Amino acid sequence: SQQGEEDPQALSIQEGENATMNCSYKTSINNLQWYRQNSGRGLVHLILIRSNEREKHSGRLRVTLDTSKKSSSLLITASRAADTASYFCATTNDYKLSFGAGTTVTVRA
Amino acid sequence: GAGVSQSPSNKVTEKGKDVELRCDPISGHTALYWYRQSLGQGLEFLIYFQGNSAPDKSGLPSDRFSAERTGGSVSTLTIQRTQQEDSAVYLCASLRSLGGNTIYFGEGSWLTVV
Repeated sequence: SQQGEEDPQALSIQEGENATMNCSYKTSINNLQWYRQNSGRGLVHLILIRSNEREKHSGRLRVTLDTSKKSSSLLITASRAADTASYFCATTNDYKLSFGAGTTVTVRA
Repeated sequence: GAGVSQSPSNKVTEKGKDVELRCDPISGHTALYWYRQSLGQGLEFLIYFQGNSAPDKSGLPSDRFSAERTGGSVSTLTIQRTQQEDSAVYLCASLRSLGGNTIYFGEGSWLTVV
C-alpha cells in the first residue's frame, strides 16, 4: 500500500529554475528517502533524511522533513535538462518501505 | 556485487506461461524487497525477505505469484500462468540492515505478457 503522496503530480520548469516537490505521509517513520527514476527503470537513491533531522543538503538537492506535519520537501536548485525524471519519496517504518505515486518533472531547455 | 543485479532485463512471454525473475542483491545485504510498477504508476510492494525468510508477503497479488531466497542472497520471483495484467516492471531492492540505511534498487525486469 502507498503511504506517501507527492505533490504536484507533474511539474514543468525552465532550465535554471528551481523545482520543489512535496511528500506527505500518514504513519510514524524511521527515515524518509528520495529517489529519481528515469524512463521507468531502476530507482536512483538521492538522499536519506532521518526522523530526527530537519534538513539535509546534497549538491543541488535540499530536503526538509517536518515530522509534526508528516511532510517532506525536495528542492532541486538550478535545474538542468538531465533532471527530467520522476521523483519518489519513500518512508521507512521498521522494515516497511512505502512509496508515493511520484512527481514527474520536466525541465525545458 | 557492486549493485543490485536483475535478470532478465526484458521478457516477453505468452499468456499462460510461467516466468522467473532473478535478483542478485548487494553482497552482505540481509534485507531484500520486490516491488512492481505498472506503466506510469507508483511502486507496489510485493514481498520482503530478511535472510531467507519472508516475514511479509502481503503484497503478492495472487497465488500465481511466489518468491524464494536462498543462501541469504539470490532471490527468484516466479509468476505462474501469466496474465496480461501482470505486465509491469518488477524491481528488486536490497538493504544492508534495518534502521537508517539506504535501500538500493536494481534496474528492474520489464515483463510483457502478450
